[in-house]
Amino acid sequence: DIQMTQSPASLSASLGETVTIECRASEDIYSNLAWYQQKPGNSPQLLIYDANSLADGVPSRFSGSGSGTQYSLKINSLQSEDVASYFCQQYNNYPYTFGAGTKLELK
Amino acid sequence: EVQLVESGGGLVQPGASLKLSCVASGFTFSDYWMSWVRQTPGKTMEWIGDIKYDGSYTNYAPSLKNRFTISRDNAKSTLYLQMSNVRSEDTATYYCTRENYSGLDYWGQGVMVTVSS
Repeated sequence: DIQMTQSPASLSASLGETVTIECRASEDIYSNLAWYQQKPGNSPQLLIYDANSLADGVPSRFSGSGSGTQYSLKINSLQSEDVASYFCQQYNNYPYTFGAGTKLELK
Repeated sequence: EVQLVESGGGLVQPGASLKLSCVASGFTFSDYWMSWVRQTPGKTMEWIGDIKYDGSYTNYAPSLKNRFTISRDNAKSTLYLQMSNVRSEDTATYYCTRENYSGLDYWGQGVMVTVSS
């Protein structure tokens, strides 16, 4: 199985700040990576697919980048509605695997 | 509007079986691969498996393939997850998801399964 190592596990940031979440795969996943946002009490929602493509309706302050084994999710100008947990997931190989998640809170 | 509505969860005793259902609407169900994903109380996400759009092929997480079976009824736009010999570590929220070749683009609201005596 491909292991997805996500960091940090938790993050506290101020409104308007830029935050970055990292995800490292145990082998090359060829940009077959998605990011999901899960707000408290809700189901996850697709944010980014193919490492850097924004899903429908996702604000442009979210962006994804990376290649090979290293990927990142960046949130520019943090808003209160961005308080959530974020997960990366690889779909290059079966079984699909997720990172452990990053809980983002407001400072 | 795409909707995925799971049902069938609840409290179940260790060793028992349980079948979850997911009714899909708002899209042509028979055009899509579908997956089940679960989230533990500690918030860990685990992909369980998926099924091809015509039901002819399935993939599973190796640790679950001997106890979990995914099936579908395209005439009823319904996805199923048959769980057998459940254990306490199967306690989780189970999500039905739609695959689009680039991630899981729609998720149901989830259904809770608690395994306890």
